[in-house]
Amino acid sequence: TQLLEQSPQFLSIQEGENLTVYCNSSSVFSSLQWYRQEPGEGPVLLVTVVTGGEVKKLKRLTFQFGDARKDSSLHITAAQPGDTGLYLCAGGAGANSKLTFGKGITLSVRP
Amino acid sequence: DTAVSQTPKYLVTQMGNDKSIKCEQNLGHDTMYWYKQDSKKFLKIMFSYNNKELIINETVPNRFSPKSPDKAHLNLHINSLELGDSAVYFCASSPSAYGYTFGSGTRLTVV
Repeated sequence: TQLLEQSPQFLSIQEGENLTVYCNSSSVFSSLQWYRQEPGEGPVLLVTVVTGGEVKKLKRLTFQFGDARKDSSLHITAAQPGDTGLYLCAGGAGANSKLTFGKGITLSVRP
Repeated sequence: DTAVSQTPKYLVTQMGNDKSIKCEQNLGHDTMYWYKQDSKKFLKIMFSYNNKELIINETVPNRFSPKSPDKAHLNLHINSLELGDSAVYFCASSPSAYGYTFGSGTRLTVV
């Protein structure tokens, strides 16, 4: 069974701070995705990374896929209250395969 | 023009009842999924259909029966509901495993 561990589980920071959160596994994934979920809504895809060592940027968010394709990090620069939410990473084993989700990181950004 | 729509949004029912949740996607995706999110926000796959064919069937009680009349629809029927079935159920679709679009969820409460 492929497992994804996300850390930290909870994070509360002040607006303007930087943060990095992690998604780790002992398994190799063909792709890794990050989602953000807000209360009462479904997860929304932020990014997909497929190549070991790949770095993708989405405005103030920077995503990195580990060289061995077993882990990923998400860095947020100058966090804003609108970044508040549940951040989920998910690993895929290939086309049409299921996604295995981590348990999520609850981020709260205080104004 | 919602991409993945689920109905109902909320469902409160008594133990032992039978209920259905409907899902429709207008994205033209070939693959649809049902995920269950528990009270700790952990998302776990239940079923996956590709072009109306069942391709993933995780260890789920046989009280749960998915049906896909066409590739744009994936419904979930649950018989003899139990207290432990209370959760949020998400429908999702994807053109591959490289990016899911989720519905907004159905919060099922069994009393």
